[in-house]
Amino acid sequence: GQQLNQSPQSMFIQEGEDVSMNCTSSSIFNTWLWYKQDPGEGPVLLIALYKAGELTSNGRLTAQFGITRKDSFLNISASIPSDVGIYFCAGHRDQGGKLIFGQGTELSVKP
Amino acid sequence: NAGVMQNPRHLVRRRGQEARLRCSPMKGHSHVYWYRQLPEEGLKFMVYLQKENIIDESGMPKERFSAEFPKEGPSILRIQQVVRGDSAAYFCASSPPGMGTHEQYFGPGTRLTVT
Repeated sequence: GQQLNQSPQSMFIQEGEDVSMNCTSSSIFNTWLWYKQDPGEGPVLLIALYKAGELTSNGRLTAQFGITRKDSFLNISASIPSDVGIYFCAGHRDQGGKLIFGQGTELSVKP
Repeated sequence: NAGVMQNPRHLVRRRGQEARLRCSPMKGHSHVYWYRQLPEEGLKFMVYLQKENIIDESGMPKERFSAEFPKEGPSILRIQQVVRGDSAAYFCASSPPGMGTHEQYFGPGTRLTVT
């Protein structure tokens, strides 16, 4: 089945550092989305990308839709403790509504 | 503007019982999706519904699981004769009508524990 490979699986960083994570696939996606999930909660949509090459920012977050349409990355600049959580990429491929999710990147930020 | 609502937040069932999970989409949203998440894993798609129609149920187990989104009222995910392996977090998401957006907004989830 379709899979998204997300890396790294986990990151331990110091407050103030920049963070980068990415998602790759063997299949083309038409839409890439990035979500953040806190413990015991549902995923919260951070950024949606619709065009190959598109670069979109949301505050300290920046995400890009890869030119090949098979990858995407998310950057977080100047991390703060509330950035802690699990970040998921998700791709949408065809006419249906299904999102395919990556395995998640767990981010820990040390004050 | 209320977000996606799910209840109950936690549900404990003994093996063989039925579990009913409810989801009310965001106001103005007519598309509902159900996903399942096992511990330390990503979300796995189960089913996509619009009002009174199942659009895609390719992720639903063939037996014991069913979903509906009636004309009035919340969407329901029903699991009959639950087994231990059904223990997971079940998330509902909704999106607005029309083409062009695949942004799905998630509820807080229902954590099902089967004892």
